[in-house]
Amino acid sequence: LAKTTQPVSMDSYEGQEVNITCSHNNIATNDYITWYQQFPSQGPRFIIQGYKTKVTNEVASLFIPADRKSSTLSLPRVSLSDTAVYYCLVGLGGGADGLTFGKGTHLIIQP
Amino acid sequence: AAGVIQSPRHLIKEKRETATLKCYPIPRHDTVYWYQQGPGQDPQFLISFYEKMQSDKGSIPDRFSAQQFSDYHSELNMSSLELGDSALYFCASSLGRGSWDTQYFGPGTRLTVL
Repeated sequence: LAKTTQPVSMDSYEGQEVNITCSHNNIATNDYITWYQQFPSQGPRFIIQGYKTKVTNEVASLFIPADRKSSTLSLPRVSLSDTAVYYCLVGLGGGADGLTFGKGTHLIIQP
Repeated sequence: AAGVIQSPRHLIKEKRETATLKCYPIPRHDTVYWYQQGPGQDPQFLISFYEKMQSDKGSIPDRFSAQQFSDYHSELNMSSLELGDSALYFCASSLGRGSWDTQYFGPGTRLTVL
């Protein structure tokens, strides 16, 4: 599995756009990039997944450059409720494989 | 929509005791995953089952065992409990051998070992 590196923590304010970058230099050809969100004392929740270029859903956007050695999760107009830990996962997944969580990014949104 | 159900939600045990955690997957989901999250730690995958057979194995201690039953619910059995076993235990489920975007997590069981 590709090793991922994310910032330990980030701060922002309500209404701002937040970008969290994840480095994954040894990503394999077939690997997908998946982001999960976890609120305190709750189970992780899937946010978005992508393979290349850009993916957008109702919650976030995921930007992946051509070399795929990094990816950026973009949260538009954050609110206090977006305060959570965000995990970047890189791998093929499937086959009932467990998720491999690395060190996530603790995002704190202030008023 | 129905979610993953875990019971009990809280459990307090003494060292060297045993504990059993239960997980009821989302209806029609046939794959169950167990994760452990210690205080201030990231979730660690323990074990998964697909169609009642063990599918993937992570960092599950030998003192722990798990199984999936015919109704697809799963139980995590923990013996000779240690203080370090105090953690949140999450169960997740998916339909088939899902990919990483289709695991739905339950609310967790908080185990405290005294």
